[in-house]
Amino acid sequence: KAGVTQTPRYLIKTRGQQVTLSCSPISGHRSVSWYQQTPGQGLQFLFEYFSETQRNKGNFPGRFSGRQFSNSRSEMNVSTLELGDSALYLCASSTRTSGRDTQYFGPGTRLTVL
Amino acid sequence: AQTVTQSQPEMSVQEAETVTLSCTYDTSESDYYLFWYKQPPSRQMILVIRQEAYKQQNATENRFSVNFQKAAKSFSLKISDSQLGDAAMYFCAYRSGNQFYFGTGTSLTVIP
Repeated sequence: KAGVTQTPRYLIKTRGQQVTLSCSPISGHRSVSWYQQTPGQGLQFLFEYFSETQRNKGNFPGRFSGRQFSNSRSEMNVSTLELGDSALYLCASSTRTSGRDTQYFGPGTRLTVL
Repeated sequence: AQTVTQSQPEMSVQEAETVTLSCTYDTSESDYYLFWYKQPPSRQMILVIRQEAYKQQNATENRFSVNFQKAAKSFSLKISDSQLGDAAMYFCAYRSGNQFYFGTGTSLTVIP
């Protein structure tokens, strides 16, 4: 099976712009989670989707939003970009939302905000 | 609030030796899962090992094993017979329900 794919792999934006990141989960996986990884804060949970519904959301401002499509692909949107949004954004998929299921991570999208 | 603490930002180990990475967590839940993830430089994060809180037996995966002390809320990772390919950032993680928390990571260097 193909692994989790994320597009684009690299992105450069300027402050105030918005950005959309895409994640395609492993075939058959219905749960997609998003994480922000920065050197200072480490890995932080953004949100998780299952069957097109947001199941939970981390402690991020409303500028961060996401959605999941019927084919389980997910997008994450960040509006009004700030310098502090520069990070590696990771997507992970699993069969279900239970901790019993292994999460498989994608390679990430590295976002740089200038 | 649930938190995960990795007190060792960096660790090093001689090839073929054993190293233990520390992790402590804080939770009021009784049902949760603990994980160790490995993130090699410029490569994808992969699951190393998983422990269910309700299981008393420590999880093992080949050269990787954990020491799970539920009362102490401690979850350390032991890597035996370290190999050069073990060099990576290691993250301890906690999950309960739909919430997932990661530690800040431990960078492991393997010395040939």
